[in-house]
Amino acid sequence: EDQVTQSPEALRLQEGESSSLNCSYTVSGLRGLFWYRQDPGKGPEFLFTLYSAGEEKEKERLKATLTKKESFLHITAPKPEDSATYLCAVRNTGGFKTIFGAGTRLFVKA
Amino acid sequence: SQTIHQWPATLVQPVGSPLSLECTVEGTSNPNLYWYRQAAGRGLQLLFYSVGIGQISSEVPQNLSASRPQDRQFILSSKKLLLSDSGFYLCAWSPRDQETQYFGPGTRLLVL
Repeated sequence: EDQVTQSPEALRLQEGESSSLNCSYTVSGLRGLFWYRQDPGKGPEFLFTLYSAGEEKEKERLKATLTKKESFLHITAPKPEDSATYLCAVRNTGGFKTIFGAGTRLFVKA
Repeated sequence: SQTIHQWPATLVQPVGSPLSLECTVEGTSNPNLYWYRQAAGRGLQLLFYSVGIGQISSEVPQNLSASRPQDRQFILSSKKLLLSDSGFYLCAWSPRDQETQYFGPGTRLLVL
């Protein structure tokens, strides 16, 4: 069964303190791995799609990487406005269902 | 550019009452459309998806239903709400031949 596990559940950082969020996944055949940012009370905002092991994508202070078993979202020198819940999701090659992890809540203190 | 709308933003309904949530997408044609529910502190759960007008697939058996009367309109309904139907409902779309989904602002439903 396809599965996505995110860790840690919550992460508290000081402004400027770089760190990484982990997304471990099990899927029969990977069609895509997705990262989203979600602010309280709002819909998820798309960040990245990764398709194959070794792929990397960057956007401002965020960098996503992918291996055959996990993905990392690296946050470099975070700012308080980076505080949000970060969601990871995978879609297999067999259909339309996308499996989401429970998310990592990131708190960045000034 | 593409835009996705959901309404209402917030809804408080009594148990046993009907439900209708609407989602529309602008700036694209023939999108795939999705309904998700998000419970507090949990991941998104896919409820329904649609690849075309009148074509609905259900992922979770429950007292909810979905319809797609027009190409860019997706409706989530219930005849009688349960307390367990409370949650944050999200509509999403993806281009016909792509995997990435783009989400709407969501509807927070509270059933009392």
